[in-house]
Amino acid sequence: DSGVTQTPKHLITATGQRVTLRCSPRSGDLSVYWYQQSLDQGLQFLIQYYNGEERAKGNILERFSAQQFPDLHSELNLSSLELGDSALYFCASSVKVAGYYNEQFFGPGTRLTVL
Amino acid sequence: GDSVVQTEGQVLPSEGDSLIVNCSYETTQYPSLFWYVQYPGEGPQLHLKAMKANDKGRNKGFEAMYRKETTSFHLEKDSVQESDSAVYFCALRKEGRRALTFGSGTRLQVQP
Repeated sequence: DSGVTQTPKHLITATGQRVTLRCSPRSGDLSVYWYQQSLDQGLQFLIQYYNGEERAKGNILERFSAQQFPDLHSELNLSSLELGDSALYFCASSVKVAGYYNEQFFGPGTRLTVL
Repeated sequence: GDSVVQTEGQVLPSEGDSLIVNCSYETTQYPSLFWYVQYPGEGPQLHLKAMKANDKGRNKGFEAMYRKETTSFHLEKDSVQESDSAVYFCALRKEGRRALTFGSGTRLQVQP
């Protein structure tokens, strides 16, 4: 158990819909990362938040957005869903020590299926 | 841009065989290098790491040497066990960057 929790575990929805994925980082970790794992693209970094502020962006579509709340949990919002958005979405968290980001701990993931 | 290449999609050694899983990287700086392992139904978890050239990461009998000259970080083990079966991802993180760049993964399936 990494200490990172993600809900829901599975999500099935239709094209055009909007969903929200939730992540709670490990206790004490201020940094949250979102990754997408798909068969054709592998594991790809989407976005990072640190203590409520966006810090880095990867290959995140404009239809996707995220935020980190004062209690440090994060939500990834996916809208206008397409079949190709079906994937595993992982959240990871890490602690920043002396200006450096330490090891990332991954949650169990949310499996999104778009029909 | 940064990239990590794992040439084997799947390896099928027998229990007790030696193992090498290849990983090559390309980046403009000297990154930190990682191997993550993913078991079914779980997220990736850190397996071993090397923070600078000539460092060797070690964990549970696995080793990987950070070789700057050949830009490689191959995962090795002298004698694999069935319990080692999982998907292994090589990854890099550039200094000052936050995100990990992953390879495509290698599925290790150890035969009994």
